[in-house]
Amino acid sequence: EAGVAQSPRYKIIEKRQSVAFWCNPISGHATLYWYQQILGQGPKLLIQFQNNGVVDDSQLPKDRFSAERLKGVDSTLKIQPAKLEDSAVYLCASSFQTGNTIYFGEGSWLTVV
Amino acid sequence: AQKITQTQPGMFVQEKEAVTLDCTYDTSDPSYGLFWYKQPSSGEMIFLIYQGSYDQQNATEGRYSLNFQKARKSANLVISASQLGDSAMYFCAMRDNTDKLIFGTGTRLQVFP
Repeated sequence: EAGVAQSPRYKIIEKRQSVAFWCNPISGHATLYWYQQILGQGPKLLIQFQNNGVVDDSQLPKDRFSAERLKGVDSTLKIQPAKLEDSAVYLCASSFQTGNTIYFGEGSWLTVV
Repeated sequence: AQKITQTQPGMFVQEKEAVTLDCTYDTSDPSYGLFWYKQPSSGEMIFLIYQGSYDQQNATEGRYSLNFQKARKSANLVISASQLGDSAMYFCAMRDNTDKLIFGTGTRLQVFP
């Protein structure tokens, strides 16, 4: 089966610009996650969706980050305006249901200059 | 609060030898899952092995095994017969009863000839 797809793979933007990342989970997976991984650190959960509803967004900086999962399939993560400290890898992951393995995409590398 | 601790920032192992990567966790939930992921320099998070809190036997997947000691709250990853391609970052993660997956800080494994 196809894995979690993410795009773009790499993005370089100037501070105060905006950027959007797209994620297509594995077919049939109800739970979708967005993680932020800063270089040298472990991934940090930004937001978790169950179908098209938000389960947890407690660590999402809502003044500049937004995410949606229309129709409970694809998801988009947006940053506006970007700051230098947003430079990181943004990982999307999905799982079929509770207790199942969580699979990750290849990540989207963001550099803010 | 749930927490994952990986105390080894880096480990070295010679090819064909076995290596143990340490992981301890903290949770008050009786039901949880423990994961190990490999992250090569390409950035993708690759699932290796899973252990459920109620599993009676230690999980094994090929050259990977998980040494699960519930009373000590440890879930160490053992890689047998190390290969050069095993060089990567390794993350221990815990999934709680809300499906939230939290990560440790990772261990960088270097396999040398």
